[in-house]
Amino acid sequence: SQTIHQWPATLVQPVGSPLSLECTVEGTSNPNLYWYRQAAGRGLQLLFYSVGIGQISSEVPQNLSASRPQDRQFILSSKKLLLSDSGFYLCAWSRLNTEAFFGQGTRLTVV
Amino acid sequence: GNSVTQMEGPVTLSEEAFLTINCTYTATGYPSLFWYVQYPGEGLQLLLKATKADDKGSNKGFEATYRKETTSFHLEKGSVQVSDSAVYFCALGVTGNEKLTFGTGTRLTIIP
Repeated sequence: SQTIHQWPATLVQPVGSPLSLECTVEGTSNPNLYWYRQAAGRGLQLLFYSVGIGQISSEVPQNLSASRPQDRQFILSSKKLLLSDSGFYLCAWSRLNTEAFFGQGTRLTVV
Repeated sequence: GNSVTQMEGPVTLSEEAFLTINCTYTATGYPSLFWYVQYPGEGLQLLLKATKADDKGSNKGFEATYRKETTSFHLEKGSVQVSDSAVYFCALGVTGNEKLTFGTGTRLTIIP
């Protein structure tokens, strides 16, 4: 069966510090991978998606970047965090445009 | 383009009440439709899905029917429980498009 791991679960970082959130998928190959952000009390905002190694599509201009160094690994990064980067970050995968499966999320607080 | 419109929340119901959360969509092509549930502090979980017109998805007492004529996929449950308190998202996916389209979510609170 397929599983998705996302870590860390919570993170408190000072403004201006770097960020690296990691997501890995097991039990499938060549998945589509996604990073979403969810601000408090709001819906989902798609940040990045990837259909293959090294292929990243950005949905919104921002202070963040994404990379896919391996087939089942998706990393969300920032060189310098802003207060507005605080939120709940969700990684997800899907195959063949069917339903997406989500990780447990990372609660990021920038202070 | 594709879009999903769902009922604004929050919705508050008493235990054992009947639940309906409305969802309508616009899509190019033939979408699959989904309902996701998000419990506090967690990621989204797929609750149910339907892949073609007139299909009914069901799970944990929840149901939704894919209505092509009204472009709707309303979520229903006959008798809600306190444990159903969560945020519910309607979504669609279209073959050939890598991205799911989500509604804004509806927060449901069930009071004993």
